Amino acid sequence: EIVLTQSPGTLSLSPGERATLSCRASQSVSSNYLAWYQQKPGQAPRLLIFGASSRATGIPDRFSGSGSGTDFTLTISRLEPEDFAVYYCQQYGSSPLFGQGTKLEIK
Amino acid sequence: QVQLVQSGAEVKKPGASVKVSCKASGYTFTTYYIHWVRQAPGQGLEWMGIINPSDGGTDYAQEFQGRVTMTRDTSTGTVYMELSSLRSEDTAMYYCARGVPAAILSYFQYWGQGTLVTVSS
Repeated sequence: EIVLTQSPGTLSLSPGERATLSCRASQSVSSNYLAWYQQKPGQAPRLLIFGASSRATGIPDRFSGSGSGTDFTLTISRLEPEDFAVYYCQQYGSSPLFGQGTKLEIK
Repeated sequence: QVQLVQSGAEVKKPGASVKVSCKASGYTFTTYYIHWVRQAPGQGLEWMGIINPSDGGTDYAQEFQGRVTMTRDTSTGTVYMELSSLRSEDTAMYYCARGVPAAILSYFQYWGQGTLVTVSS
């Protein structure tokens, strides 16, 4: 069974800075079926990226996904105040599975 | 527009069962699988299983095998998730989510608003 490990657990940055979040799989993710979600308190998750690098509808282009195989990255090029949230990766190359999350907080 | 509207919060005693509904609208109900995902307070996301609204076929995560049942009513466009033998560790927000057309393995573009299930004596 695949295990997804996200790092760091918490990332403290300021608005305008660049954020780099990592998601590492214990084995290769089939067809790079890797998605990223943003979740704010009291809300359902919001799809950002699917297929490792494709932005979902309506997602700003400051969000980008990259990677393949076992190593994936979500990059937010220039942080806006509304980007501070928890981010989860999810693999769907086999039974869906989520990482434990990265909390992006204001420094 | 696509909407998934879930039933309201529930409080249950240990050992009881809970049934949560998820009413879909804005698309062809039988074309997209529906998944269930739960989130314990302050914790991450956990996939529970999937139902094919077209034929009612299901696939459950191993952790929930024997305790979870997913069903659907095509006349109302509603799917249901029933969890039995509840324990305190089942206290969580339960979400339904829509996958991609006719695919079991999927990401989730649309989510319900969540249903809080509290298990307490």
